[in-house]
Amino acid sequence: DAEITQSPRHKITETGRQVTLACHQTWNHNNMFWYRQDLGHGLRLIHYSYGVQDTNKGEVSDGYSVSRSNTEDLPLTLESAASSQTSVYFCASSRQGGSEQFFGPGTRLTVL
Amino acid sequence: DQQVKQNSPSLSVQEGRISILNCDYTNSMFDYFLWYKKYPAEGPTFLISISSIKDKNEDGRFTVFLNKSAKHLSLHIVPSQPGDSAVYFCAAFAPANNDMRFGAGTRLTVKP
Repeated sequence: DAEITQSPRHKITETGRQVTLACHQTWNHNNMFWYRQDLGHGLRLIHYSYGVQDTNKGEVSDGYSVSRSNTEDLPLTLESAASSQTSVYFCASSRQGGSEQFFGPGTRLTVL
Repeated sequence: DQQVKQNSPSLSVQEGRISILNCDYTNSMFDYFLWYKKYPAEGPTFLISISSIKDKNEDGRFTVFLNKSAKHLSLHIVPSQPGDSAVYFCAAFAPANNDMRFGAGTRLTVKP
């Protein structure tokens, strides 16, 4: 069965460290997204990609970067982790031109 | 600036009764609306959607109503079941710029 996975599921890191969260989907979807979920804010878009080598900034992109070298993966990097980046991160994918997004199980990141 | 608002952070209903979850949006470019359901420690899953050319879409116990003039949509669950207890996110999609925005979510509790 096609799916979307995220790793790690839980991560604790220290302020200033670089952290990379992995996202892998097997639907062959062109579109991939990264969101963070915080109480009172719902899901906020960090970065998104509409295909290989394409990346775009979302609503809350400062301090984050992504790269898309193949269809299946969109890793999210926190260049220098800050306590404000403690959150639950969700990766999602959708087919080209589609609005329904399929979400991964999430990564809970704690920055101490 | 929150373009999609769910003003009720929580809702509690009795099993068998109707649950009504509300959502308001501000951007008239939004053309397609979705509801997602989220259980703890899982990613959101798609529940039901509606295009702006319709005012109602029904799928089993779930019905979404759209009032374009009021920029308001609602999700009705009838009858409510304990398994419906989850956080429900409203999302709005603007195809012109592929912009998807989520509300902050409403936590529904259905009591047996």
